[in-house]
Amino acid sequence: DTAVSQTPKYLVTQMGNDKSIKCEQNLGHDTMYWYKQDSKKFLKIMFSYNNKELIINETVPNRFSPKSPDKAHLNLHINSLELGDSAVYFCASSRVGGGSYEQYFGPGTRLTVT
Amino acid sequence: AQSVTQLGSHVSVSEGALVLLRCNYSSSVPPYLFWYVQYPNQGLQLLLKYTTGATLVKGINGFEAEFKKSETSFHLTKPSAHMSDAAEYFCAVTDTGNQFYFGTGTSLTVIP
Repeated sequence: DTAVSQTPKYLVTQMGNDKSIKCEQNLGHDTMYWYKQDSKKFLKIMFSYNNKELIINETVPNRFSPKSPDKAHLNLHINSLELGDSAVYFCASSRVGGGSYEQYFGPGTRLTVT
Repeated sequence: AQSVTQLGSHVSVSEGALVLLRCNYSSSVPPYLFWYVQYPNQGLQLLLKYTTGATLVKGINGFEAEFKKSETSFHLTKPSAHMSDAAEYFCAVTDTGNQFYFGTGTSLTVIP
């Protein structure tokens, strides 16, 4: 069973379109995250949700909107896509508290904006 | 604020040689430290972690790391490199678990 899954794995779209990436975890974790990895492999946190509540919202354009319908899901919606949005987006989850904290990552979604 | 510095964006070692990947962190509180590995076109996989207790931690695939508070370091080592170790390695730190800070990564090449 896949612990953290993302769909789609690849997403090719044109500038100006709106797209969503879905993430689900079956680990019973209470915290979920979205990261952006650029072409130089640099990982930047975008959002962090704990028990469906937004905890971290880094300096991300408001075209990006996360939605957490329940603790097991954290989706990412992107409006008016731009060329600079091309990257690999990773979802992750963890159990915060109890001295654990390690994150489990999904396989990533490679977004290409043309 | 916390931060992580990985010295050396690219490291090359011969197969069978020692692997040493460097990580220094800054944190105002006792940190939780992690090493992750990323193989091509895959997500990040946890190699090992330090939370509390023993400062020498062992991880998967023969890797280990030592937490040195006085040096604010958490270097990753493996006694003998294998071809399958070629990947990108990331050091990360957190204090609360809500915000993680990752280093810029070190690409490890293993030369046969």
